[in-house]
Amino acid sequence: EVQLVESGGGLVQPGRSLRLSCTASGFTFGDYGMSWVRRQAPGKGLEWVGFIRSKAYGGTTEYAASVKGRFTISRDDSKSIAYLQMNSLKTEDTAVYYCSRMDLSSSGYYSFDYWGQGTLVTVSS
Amino acid sequence: DIQMTQSPSSLSASVGDRVTLTCRASQSISIYLNWYQQKPGKAPKLLIYAASSLQSGVPSRFSGSGSGTDFTLTISSLQPEDFATYYCQQSYSTLFTFGPGTKVDIK
Repeated sequence: EVQLVESGGGLVQPGRSLRLSCTASGFTFGDYGMSWVRRQAPGKGLEWVGFIRSKAYGGTTEYAASVKGRFTISRDDSKSIAYLQMNSLKTEDTAVYYCSRMDLSSSGYYSFDYWGQGTLVTVSS
Repeated sequence: DIQMTQSPSSLSASVGDRVTLTCRASQSISIYLNWYQQKPGKAPKLLIYAASSLQSGVPSRFSGSGSGTDFTLTISSLQPEDFATYYCQQSYSTLFTFGPGTKVDIK
């Protein structure tokens, strides 16, 4: 059974840093890209944050404009963990952060097929 | 970036109703469109990928159609467990974007 478990959320002051982890099980982690998606205040929708490709596709990363230069995604395939390093946090980064597995079809098409339950990050003084 | 819009933003419906949700992309995205369902306090769930392909385990009352810029998600007979928020998401660009969502609640 595929499982994704996020951890590391909490209360942090503006300008500080926080690192989230996504621990995976039930599949060959290294074969998949991993993405982070957030949902801000209740009533707000989903916002894609960024993703990291599998090593087979270079292990490269891409980020939404709202977090580029502040957030960094990395992975440790030996531990089946994806990380989201968040620096220079702003109050508008307050959200539930989800990690998701990215399924890549044979036609080069991504979908987010499994999701964790999320971890809450609150940025406040 | 590719912008996604959804309509309506919310709708009220009854059990057994046929419901159609709409998603529009700011440029052509071929069939690179996914649909997700999210219930309060829960993680999103993939329903439809590549515009019309049903994800494994998803009931057949869900269907998707469209290509280019205009897409629809149809629930043929709304069930109590279908009351949720539905999001479309484009995968044409790897700067992925979600629509703002359509909330389906009980009439």
